[in-house]
Amino acid sequence: ETGVTQSPTHLIKTRGQQVTLRCSSQSGHNTVSWYQQALGQGPQFIFQYYREEENGRGNFPPRFSGLQFPNYSSELNVNALELDDSALYLCASSPGTGGINSPLHFGNGTRLTVT
Amino acid sequence: DQQVKQNSPSLSVQEGRISILNCDYTNSMFDYFLWYKKYPAEGPTFLISISSIKDKNEDGRFTVFLNKSAKHLSLHIVPSQPGDSAVYFCAASASSGGSNYKLTFGKGTLLTVNP
Repeated sequence: ETGVTQSPTHLIKTRGQQVTLRCSSQSGHNTVSWYQQALGQGPQFIFQYYREEENGRGNFPPRFSGLQFPNYSSELNVNALELDDSALYLCASSPGTGGINSPLHFGNGTRLTVT
Repeated sequence: DQQVKQNSPSLSVQEGRISILNCDYTNSMFDYFLWYKKYPAEGPTFLISISSIKDKNEDGRFTVFLNKSAKHLSLHIVPSQPGDSAVYFCAASASSGGSNYKLTFGKGTLLTVNP
C-alpha cells in the first residue's frame, strides 16, 4: 500500500511569485485535503477535494486554489506569494470526506519558504 | 479564536511511566476527536480517535478519555517508551452542519520520554 506522497519536499520562492505543490493520494483514497502548518502552530485546514470538486474551504484567500485529477492526485496553487505563506504544507488523503470512518493520512509535507 | 487548545507545549516523562497529554475544546458542535503523532520531517500519523458517544477508547498502550461536560479529552500512554517522543496533536471535527471534512487542530505538545 503506497502512502501519501508530496513533491517537492522543500521550495524557496520570492514574494509575489506563484507556486504549485503536488500530492499523490494513498491508494484506495478518493478525497484529498490540504493543510498549512506555520511554525509553532497546528495544521490549519485550507480546502478539501472530492471527485475533482472543492468540497469545503477554510479561512484562506482566493489566491489559494487547488485541483484534483481523475486519479485522485491533487495540486495546491498559491498566487502572489506573501512572506506569511512560509509554512509546511501538508496533504492528506482519506477514503471518504470525513468522520469517524475516514481518518486523514498525511504526507510528509512541502516546506515552503518565501523570501 | 482557538477552538482546540493544548495548553502544555511540552511534557517530559521517564520510560515506563504514564504520559498524559491534555486537550480542551470550546466548540460544542465537535463530536469526533483524534490524536495525531508527528516526528520531525514527517507528516502527522493518526494514532487514535473517539466519538462523542463514548467516553473512552483504548488501543494497546494508548487510551483516549473524553469528558464532554468539561469539553476535555486526554491521551494516556502506558508504559511510555523512548520511541513515543514526538509532537502530539489533538484534533476535532463536527459531523453536523456539513463540515465533517474539516479537522481543527491544537498547537501540539512535545512529549519527551527519557530512557
